[in-house]
Amino acid sequence: DAGVIQSPRHEVTEMGQEVTLRCKPISGHDYLFWYRQTMMRGLELLIYFNNNVPIDDSGMPEDRFSAKMPNASFSTLKIQPSEPRDSAVYFCASSFRLYEQYFGPGTRLTVT
Amino acid sequence: GDSVTQMEGPVTLSEEAFLTINCTYTATGYPSLFWYVQYPGEGLQLLLKATKADDKGSNKGFEATYRKETTSFHLEKGSVQVSDSAVYFCALSDRGSSNTGKLIFGQGTTLQVKP
Repeated sequence: DAGVIQSPRHEVTEMGQEVTLRCKPISGHDYLFWYRQTMMRGLELLIYFNNNVPIDDSGMPEDRFSAKMPNASFSTLKIQPSEPRDSAVYFCASSFRLYEQYFGPGTRLTVT
Repeated sequence: GDSVTQMEGPVTLSEEAFLTINCTYTATGYPSLFWYVQYPGEGLQLLLKATKADDKGSNKGFEATYRKETTSFHLEKGSVQVSDSAVYFCALSDRGSSNTGKLIFGQGTTLQVKP
């Protein structure tokens, strides 16, 4: 079992650039979650999908953030344009029928 | 709304000491409760869980009991090791009346174990 896979593991970009984070959930899981972790705000749920359909995006900070799940094995979180305050670790997690969530290793994003 | 409160860290212990990390929650409905652990540079890993009142979750020597009367889910370990040094997160998932499945996390407690 490969677990949840995220790429890239580290991303450094300049303010104003587009950033795309990727996630491959565990095969067979029907829920996918995107989280952001910062020292100031802790872990925040940004958005989650059920069977590839977005269910709740109330945690998405603003219109610069968008997420898609084109199929059961792939999701993206895009930030356009990026800002320094977006610097954080972004986690993807997946679960089967809302049971325990399994987290990926995270993407550390630095926006300069 | 639902919330989770953990004791503030960092917690510094000597090897083989007894560990308690306090966690209390506020929730409507009947949440499931979890402890996750995050080792440096890694994602969160599920440590243990409890789905109903009086359930005890246990794993790797860690234990926590779901106490509905005190709305608590304190994490304990009888003898910590240096390898237990990590950040521990208490979380609840509302699979009751709302059944959103969202995980609501506490702020995390850093544990440092010294040899």
